[in-house]
Amino acid sequence: KAGVTQTPRYLIKTRGQQVTLSCSPISGHRSVSWYQQTPGQGLQFLFEYFSETQRNKGNFPGRFSGRQFSNSRSEMNVSTLELGDSALYLCASSLDPSSSYNEQFFGPGTRLTVL
Amino acid sequence: DQQVKQNSPSLSVQEGRISILNCDYTNSMFDYFLWYKKYPAEGPTFLISISSIKDKNEDGRFTVFLNKSAKHLSLHIVPSQPGDSAVYFCAASVRGTYKYIFGTGTRLKVLA
Repeated sequence: KAGVTQTPRYLIKTRGQQVTLSCSPISGHRSVSWYQQTPGQGLQFLFEYFSETQRNKGNFPGRFSGRQFSNSRSEMNVSTLELGDSALYLCASSLDPSSSYNEQFFGPGTRLTVL
Repeated sequence: DQQVKQNSPSLSVQEGRISILNCDYTNSMFDYFLWYKKYPAEGPTFLISISSIKDKNEDGRFTVFLNKSAKHLSLHIVPSQPGDSAVYFCAASVRGTYKYIFGTGTRLKVLA
C-alpha cells in the first residue's frame, strides 16, 4: 500500500506570493491533517479534514486555508506569504480518529522557503 | 500555550543501554498518547501509543509508561541501537477533537 504523498517536496517563494501544497492520503484513509514544523516549535496543528469537512483547526491566521476533495486528497493554501512561513509542512492521514484510536501516518513533507 | 512539553531537547546514550525520553502534559482531558520518531528529510513515523485507561504498553524494544496523576509519560528503548538515533516526538489527543498536540521533540543520539 502506498504511503502518504506530498507535492511538491521543495518550494521557494517570495514574500507576498501565495502557495498551494498537495497531499494524497493512504488509500482508504479519510482523515487528513496538516502540520507546520519549525525549529524549536515542534509540529503545530493547522487543520483536519474528513469527508471534505474541516473538523478542527489550530491557531493560525486566516492566510492559511485548506480543503479536501471527494477522493480524500487535500490541499493547503497560504496566501500573502511572510518570511516566518518558512517551514516544513507535513500532511498526515488516518482512517478516522473519531471512531477509535488511530495513529496518523505522515508524508515526507513539503519544505517551503520564503525569501 | 504548550500543552505537551518535552523538556530535554537532546539525549545521548551508549549502544545497548536504556534510553528514556520524557514528556509532560497539562491538559487532563487528553486520553490518547503517541510517540513518533523522525529522521531528517522524512515525515514522522509512528512508534507506539497508549490510551489513558492503561499505564503501560510494550512493543518489542519500546515501552511507553503513563502516569496520569503526574501528567507524565515516558518512552523506554531497551536496548538502544545506533539506528534509533532520531528526533522523538510525543503527541496527545482528546478523543473526538480530531486534533493531535505534539511536543517540541527530543533528539536522541545512540553512540556506538
